[in-house]
Amino acid sequence: GENVEQHPSTLSVQEGDSAVIKCTYSDSASNYFPWYKQELGKRPQLIIDIRSNVGEKKDQRIAVTLNKTAKHFSLHITETQPEDSAVYFCAASRNGNKLVFGAGTILRVKS
Amino acid sequence: GAVVSQHPSRVICKSGTSVKIECRSLDFQATTMFWYRQFPKKSLMLMATSNEGSKATYEQGVEKDKFLINHASLTLSTLTVTSAHPEDSSFYICSARVAETYNEQFFGPGTRLTVL
Repeated sequence: GENVEQHPSTLSVQEGDSAVIKCTYSDSASNYFPWYKQELGKRPQLIIDIRSNVGEKKDQRIAVTLNKTAKHFSLHITETQPEDSAVYFCAASRNGNKLVFGAGTILRVKS
Repeated sequence: GAVVSQHPSRVICKSGTSVKIECRSLDFQATTMFWYRQFPKKSLMLMATSNEGSKATYEQGVEKDKFLINHASLTLSTLTVTSAHPEDSSFYICSARVAETYNEQFFGPGTRLTVL
C-alpha cells in the first residue's frame, strides 16, 4: 500500500522567512496530493492541493510542487507569520479515495 | 458550502460501555465518508471507508466488530465504539467527499473520546 514520509518533524523559522516541508510517496498510482493545516484540537483544514497532471500550484503565500518521477512533493510558505504556526500534514491518494497521511510537521514561526 | 459536522464533540465514558459518534454532511450528499483516528501528537490514520447503503471497508488491523460503522443515508454515517476501553481513548475524525469525481475530502471537527 501507499506510504508517505514527511520531513522535517519540527521546523522553526523567523517571522518573514520561508518554510519548506517535503514529502515522498511510494505508490506511483497516487494522483492527488493535499496539504492540511491542523491547530490543536481542531479539524484538518485543506490549504492547498495538487493533482498529478500539474507540476506546481500557487495560492498567495502558499505553493506546492510535485515531482512525479521522483515521487515527492513539497509545501512552500513564504513571508511566514505567527498565525502560520500549526501542524502541517501532507497526504496522498488515488482519485481522492483513502488518504494516507504523512507524520506531520510542527511549524513554529517566531516573532 | 461542504460543511461536515460531528456529534458529540467530547465524550467521557466508563470502560465497557458503547459510544456512538455521528458524522453529518450538512449541505451536500456524501456517497463516501471516511473515519480517521488520531492519537495525541500523531498523524491521522484511516480506520474505514463508509459507503452509503453498503458495508464499510476497514483498514488492516481495525476490528470491525469493535468499531461498527453505519452509513444509512447520504448525509449521515455513524461510528460506534463497542465495549470501550481506555486504549480506545483518542480523537476520532470523519470526512466526506462531495462526489466520486471530486477529490477533496471535507473534515468534521472531531470527537474527543476519553474512556475511564
